[in-house]
Amino acid sequence: GQQLNQSPQSMFIQEGEDVSMNCTSSSIFNTWLWYKQDPGEGPVLLIALYKAGELTSNGRLTAQFGITRKDSFLNISASIPSDVGIYFCAGLMDSNYQLIWGAGTKLIIKP
Amino acid sequence: EPEVTQTPSHQVTQMGQEVILRCVPISNHLYFYWYRQILGQKVEFLVSFYNNEISEKSEIFDDQFSVERPDGSNFTLKIRSTKLEDSAMYFCASSPFYEQYFGPGTRLTVT
Repeated sequence: GQQLNQSPQSMFIQEGEDVSMNCTSSSIFNTWLWYKQDPGEGPVLLIALYKAGELTSNGRLTAQFGITRKDSFLNISASIPSDVGIYFCAGLMDSNYQLIWGAGTKLIIKP
Repeated sequence: EPEVTQTPSHQVTQMGQEVILRCVPISNHLYFYWYRQILGQKVEFLVSFYNNEISEKSEIFDDQFSVERPDGSNFTLKIRSTKLEDSAMYFCASSPFYEQYFGPGTRLTVT
């Protein structure tokens, strides 16, 4: 089936640093969604992207829909302790409404 | 802000028993989904539901699973005869079109 390759798998950063993560695929997607999941909770939608090249911000978060429609990027600026968690990308293809998920990027802030 | 709710938050059942997981989607949404997440793994699609019928289902969603929208508000997932490997977090999601909003999940433990 379709796969999304999400990287990095985990990140250890200092508070205040900027963070970047991305998802790539061999398939074309028409929508990219970025979620954050805290332990024991459901994924929370952060940003939705609908057009190739689209750049969208949500506070300190910025995500981009790749021009090829096969990738997406999420950046977090000036990280704070509450940013810790697992970030997932998810994509929707033209043919259906089944979300295809990346494996997640675990963000850990070094004390 | 409207949100998806799920009950119970935790369900413990014996192997072979039937369980029903309940969800109340966001009221004006048209598309409904069930996902599961085994501990430490990515979110997996089970089924999508639109216009009172299943629109897509994954290989995981076999004859042991069924979904129902018994009234205008509830959306249920039934597992007829649970197996040990059904132990996971089960998430309900609803969507007005593309963006999917997740509930807090039900942790199912099969013993």
